[in-house]
Amino acid sequence: ILNVEQSPQSLHVQEGDSTNFTCSFPSSNFYALHWYRWETAKSPEALFVMTLNGDEKKKGRISATLNTKEGYSYLYIKGSQPEDSATYLCAPMYSGGGADGLTFGKGTHLIIQP
Amino acid sequence: EPEVTQTPSHQVTQMGQEVILRCVPISNHLYFYWYRQILGQKVEFLVSFYNNEISEKSEIFDDQFSVERPDGSNFTLKIRSTKLEDSAMYFCASSPQQNSNQPQHFGDGTRLSIL
Repeated sequence: ILNVEQSPQSLHVQEGDSTNFTCSFPSSNFYALHWYRWETAKSPEALFVMTLNGDEKKKGRISATLNTKEGYSYLYIKGSQPEDSATYLCAPMYSGGGADGLTFGKGTHLIIQP
Repeated sequence: EPEVTQTPSHQVTQMGQEVILRCVPISNHLYFYWYRQILGQKVEFLVSFYNNEISEKSEIFDDQFSVERPDGSNFTLKIRSTKLEDSAMYFCASSPQQNSNQPQHFGDGTRLSIL
């Protein structure tokens, strides 16, 4: 069973503040890490797919970094807005690729307080 | 932007009955998936499908589950004899290639309630 840990489980952040949270995963045979943003009553939305150690990706105010050697990724949100409220899910994938299903962490539930 | 669509959005079924959840993946995608989320738990992978056959399945996907692509557009999940513990949100997803660095595109889900 793949152990994917996300912390914290939930997070309350004041509007305008920046925040970050973590995804930890086994590093052996790592291939790629997916980040998704999931708003209540909507479909999970792909944010990033990261593969290389030291990779940094950015989408608007959201960015992510990847450390494949130690098995973690950080997701950063700069200047949080109410629309950032969602659950953020990560899912690592391993060598063998193909049509593998994603193994998600439990997610970080982010609430932005106006 | 193309979307994965799922129907119905909510299905209520008596225990023991069969249920079919429907999905229309993005049209040029080749890989299809079903996931579920039981309330308060993780999103769990059920099955992946490529070239008209199951590519991978999880331990959850036992004999009561089956998938089918009956025509060129639909992808269905059938639960043969539903149990109370099958109550969950079921998500369909699709991706264009056999490549783990492509994101999967998810539908809005079907909420299945077993009574």
